[in-house]
Amino acid sequence: GQQLNQSPQSMFIQEGEDVSMNCTSSSIFNTWLWYKQDPGEGPVLLIALYKAGELTSNGRLTAQFGITRKDSFLNISASIPSDVGIYFCAGQLQGGADGLTFGKGTHLIIQP
Amino acid sequence: NAGVTQTPKFQVLKTGQSMTLQCAQDMNHNSMYWYRQDPGMGLRLIYYSASEGTTDKGEVPNGYNVSRLNKREFSLRLESAAPSQTSVYFCASSRLTDTQYFGPGTRLTVL
Repeated sequence: GQQLNQSPQSMFIQEGEDVSMNCTSSSIFNTWLWYKQDPGEGPVLLIALYKAGELTSNGRLTAQFGITRKDSFLNISASIPSDVGIYFCAGQLQGGADGLTFGKGTHLIIQP
Repeated sequence: NAGVTQTPKFQVLKTGQSMTLQCAQDMNHNSMYWYRQDPGMGLRLIYYSASEGTTDKGEVPNGYNVSRLNKREFSLRLESAAPSQTSVYFCASSRLTDTQYFGPGTRLTVL
């Protein structure tokens, strides 16, 4: 199957710091999605990107769809305690009806 | 509007037992999916249903069967559970084939 490489695997940061994580693939995707998962819960959609080069914000979160269509990044500015969780990138192949390909997640830990 | 709901939330089975995981969505979505999540493996697609009346295998279908009962409901069945099927199972739905919304998950342990 398709592979998405998500990095870093984990991040230990101080409250108030900015966070950056990314996903890369050897395949071209037509949709990039970023999800957050809290312990014991299902993934919740944060940002959806549908066009190469697209830059989209959702509050303190900003994500971009890489122009090569093989990568995407997510930035979180001025982190707060409730940002703790696991962040997943996911990609959708053009016209694909077979679900999303997920990265393995970035575990964000914030130290007060 | 409950979104995607899953039952049960937790289940413990003995090897060889069977069970069905239930999923329902109230968003009038066409497509529904079943994933499993294992530590360090991310989410992997088991089966999906692009529309009512159709089902297709995903990345890891062995040991599972599915039924798209109607537009709202998509069930996952384990006919003979194995310890390797211990996992957290997530159902998701989408209007088309991209942006998916997830349920809260079913935590399954097979002894």
